[in-house]
Amino acid sequence: DAKTTQPPSMDCAEGRAANLPCNHSTISGNEYVYWYRQIHSQGPQYIIHGLKNNETNEMASLIITEDRKSSTLILPHATLRDTAVYYCIVGTGANSKLTFGKGITLSVRP
Amino acid sequence: NAGVTQTPKFQVLKTGQSMTLQCAQDMNHEYMSWYRQDPGMGLRLIHYSVGAGITDQGEVPNGYNVSRSTTEDFPLRLLSAAPSQTSVYFCASSPDLWNTEAFFGQGTRLTVV
Repeated sequence: DAKTTQPPSMDCAEGRAANLPCNHSTISGNEYVYWYRQIHSQGPQYIIHGLKNNETNEMASLIITEDRKSSTLILPHATLRDTAVYYCIVGTGANSKLTFGKGITLSVRP
Repeated sequence: NAGVTQTPKFQVLKTGQSMTLQCAQDMNHEYMSWYRQDPGMGLRLIHYSVGAGITDQGEVPNGYNVSRSTTEDFPLRLLSAAPSQTSVYFCASSPDLWNTEAFFGQGTRLTVV
């Protein structure tokens, strides 16, 4: 599976959009991009995933570049409860060995 | 709907002891997996299963055994606990292999002394 690169941390103000970047330059054509987050020491929580097109759900938007080598997770109106570690993962089905990496720590400040 | 249930939540073992971490899901998911998370690190895949009777190794399988006799249950066995296995263990399930949402349990915090 392709590896991902994320900055270690970032912060944003409450109520503002949080844009979390992820580089995955070695992604292959059949690999999806997934985002999960982990609040404190809880189990990771799924946020969103996509293949080529941009995706949006009630939690976030996922913007994937045309060459698919990078993506951005957008939390449109960050709240204090969005403070967490966010993991960008790429991978696909059978026999893949997905790794979460260290993720990016998002701190939302009041 | 309980989702993914892990037991116990906390456990302290002595070096050399064996134990089984339990994981059960009630969503009829085919795919289940075990991860460990060490302090300040991401999750690392230990073992996974694509269905009852089928298991395979992940990134860090040494020291752990798994079996999948039913769709619902995927226990993780530590045969002879070592301090290096002190970690937080997460079980996850999904309808298939990662092309959909994966659901995680709340974790088992294991300390080996």
